[in-house]
Amino acid sequence: RKEVEQDPGPFNVPEGATVAFNCTYSNSASQSFFWYRQDCRKEPKLLMSVYSSGNEDGRFTAQLNRASQYISLLIRDSKLSDSATYLCVSSGYALNFGKGTSLLVTP
Amino acid sequence: EPEVTQTPSHQVTQMGQEVILRCVPISNHLYFYWYRQILGQKVEFLVSFYNNEISEKSEIFDDQFSVERPDGSNFTLKIRSTKLEDSAMYFCASSPILGDTGELFFGEGSRLTVL
Repeated sequence: RKEVEQDPGPFNVPEGATVAFNCTYSNSASQSFFWYRQDCRKEPKLLMSVYSSGNEDGRFTAQLNRASQYISLLIRDSKLSDSATYLCVSSGYALNFGKGTSLLVTP
Repeated sequence: EPEVTQTPSHQVTQMGQEVILRCVPISNHLYFYWYRQILGQKVEFLVSFYNNEISEKSEIFDDQFSVERPDGSNFTLKIRSTKLEDSAMYFCASSPILGDTGELFFGEGSRLTVL
């Protein structure tokens, strides 16, 4: 069973749209969760950490539901520059990456 | 802004050859990692390194792989006898604290192509 599962997409949305990504994780012992962003053929970069209380960073909101082992990322007012692959990540002795959800924001 | 640097950016090698990928982590970081990403696949953990020794490794990190911190700045990944399936992007990462409670800073990667 995969540690972290995501819908691969792609999600094609127009500029200004709101888009939501979901992710599930299998290891109930995981303590920390993150969303990373990866541009094509580039390195992953941390977008935001995810907390049970939910956290917001500008247009981005992340939420964790430990009971359902479910993580979400909401992007409001999508920009062209948001086009990338979004990686859901859980922690163990190392970071466990999902395969990523591809987002394309179109003009 | 401090960054993790990796060399080479791209290496092409013949199957069976030895390859060394080099990384210079961020200077005040204590934890170092190698991850790999096969084209179209997820980022996979290989090994973590702390206090001059391996702290964790995955099942991918078999006897063909080794890591070293030969001096105070470099962190290397060696593949002794490359196989076709070793073709991937190899990312080095570093962290000031243990990865599961902090951000990992990744280098731009070294693309390895095994022919």
